[in-house]
Amino acid sequence: SAVISQKPSRDICQRGTSLTIQCQVDSQVTMMFWYRQQPGQSLTLIATANQGSEATYESGFVIDKFPISRPNLTFSTLTVSNMSPEDSSIYLCSVGDIATEAFFGQGTRLTVV
Amino acid sequence: AQTVTQSQPEMSVQEAETVTLSCTYDTSESDYYLFWYKQPPSRQMILVIRQEAYKQQNATENRFSVNFQKAAKSFSLKISDSQLGDAAMYFCAYRSAYFGNEKLTFGTGTRLTIIP
Repeated sequence: SAVISQKPSRDICQRGTSLTIQCQVDSQVTMMFWYRQQPGQSLTLIATANQGSEATYESGFVIDKFPISRPNLTFSTLTVSNMSPEDSSIYLCSVGDIATEAFFGQGTRLTVV
Repeated sequence: AQTVTQSQPEMSVQEAETVTLSCTYDTSESDYYLFWYKQPPSRQMILVIRQEAYKQQNATENRFSVNFQKAAKSFSLKISDSQLGDAAMYFCAYRSAYFGNEKLTFGTGTRLTIIP
């Protein structure tokens, strides 16, 4: 299993600013995933983060808006840039490989005002 | 691309009764995993049960069991002896078994209410 610590757990931000969310895993993992959950909606994958390479973004998500860092095998950050109220969501990081379940952080509830 | 469909936005059940949540999926792959995740108000995603597509036997975890129909691409979750703590959003999810495609694809969720 994997234990994931995600920070911050919640934040209220002004529009036009940026927020960086951190995800720390208690073991080395190859792939980390960042999901967005808009209010009352399901989880949508933003991007997959591999250590030592550029993140792979899903359709509808771009690096300029959601830059991701993956400096080592236990840590990743997601930045939500130039925020607008439409970015108000829960953001979750996740890890997991083919043979295991996916483990999730506790999520970051972001409100943009 | 894979899709996951949950046709029941909301369900309710009396405490101690049994409820079944529906999930269908579409894929052209032959090997994959299916999951049910529970998300209580705390936002934490909690794995309820997991099914490997190559296994014929339906997965069971205590009061939770699935009815996996591979040909029909159906994966329903049965909760027996429902308890107040089962109240949550339930998400069905698909994951490929092929290397390099480990992301999860989620359904839209079913909100389960337990009636005391």
